[in-house]
Amino acid sequence: KAGVTQTPRYLIKTRGQQVTLSCSPISGHRSVSWYQQTPGQGLQFLFEYFSETQRNKGNFPGRFSGRQFSNSRSEMNVSTLELGDSALYLCASSLALAGVTEQYFGPGTRLTVT
Amino acid sequence: SQQGEEDPQALSIQEGENATMNCSYKTSINNLQWYRQNSGRGLVHLILIRSNEREKHSGRLRVTLDTSKKSSSLLITASRAADTASYFCATDAITQGGSEKLVFGKGTKLTVNP
Repeated sequence: KAGVTQTPRYLIKTRGQQVTLSCSPISGHRSVSWYQQTPGQGLQFLFEYFSETQRNKGNFPGRFSGRQFSNSRSEMNVSTLELGDSALYLCASSLALAGVTEQYFGPGTRLTVT
Repeated sequence: SQQGEEDPQALSIQEGENATMNCSYKTSINNLQWYRQNSGRGLVHLILIRSNEREKHSGRLRVTLDTSKKSSSLLITASRAADTASYFCATDAITQGGSEKLVFGKGTKLTVNP
């Protein structure tokens, strides 16, 4: 079974631009979560999508948004990029069975904002 | 805010030695998980321990959970250079609506010297 894939793997953007990151979950996984990882703040939860609906959202500004498609693929968008948005963005998928929260992570997208 | 806090922040040992990492958390949990991350890459799920379990083994890994102290430990026996990575504990936060949200600690950076 193929793992979680994320594209692109690396991205360099300029302040003020916007960016879209893509995540393809493991086949059969319906839940997709996004995390931001920085040296200072560690791993922080952005949001989770299940059956095309955002079920939970972390404490990030509205510039961070996402969506999920009917095939469970997910995208996240960051508008009006700031230097502080430079981070490793990780996507994780899971079966979303009750009581089982094991998540499978993709390799991440390294975003650098200059 | 981080739910789990790993201790120590960094650990350096010789190949063949055992490595012990600790995690403390703040609120009640359903499960606690440990993940490994090689430098700048995605996280790999290691082991999940449920709140009604006290100890779990997987190969060279041994995890304990003490819910009364809100703490967990990860023991890696007979360490190898390939075990060099950052290790994170993650607690689940099942929100209303069944959303899954993992809350990660800041991790322990383990270096195993050959």
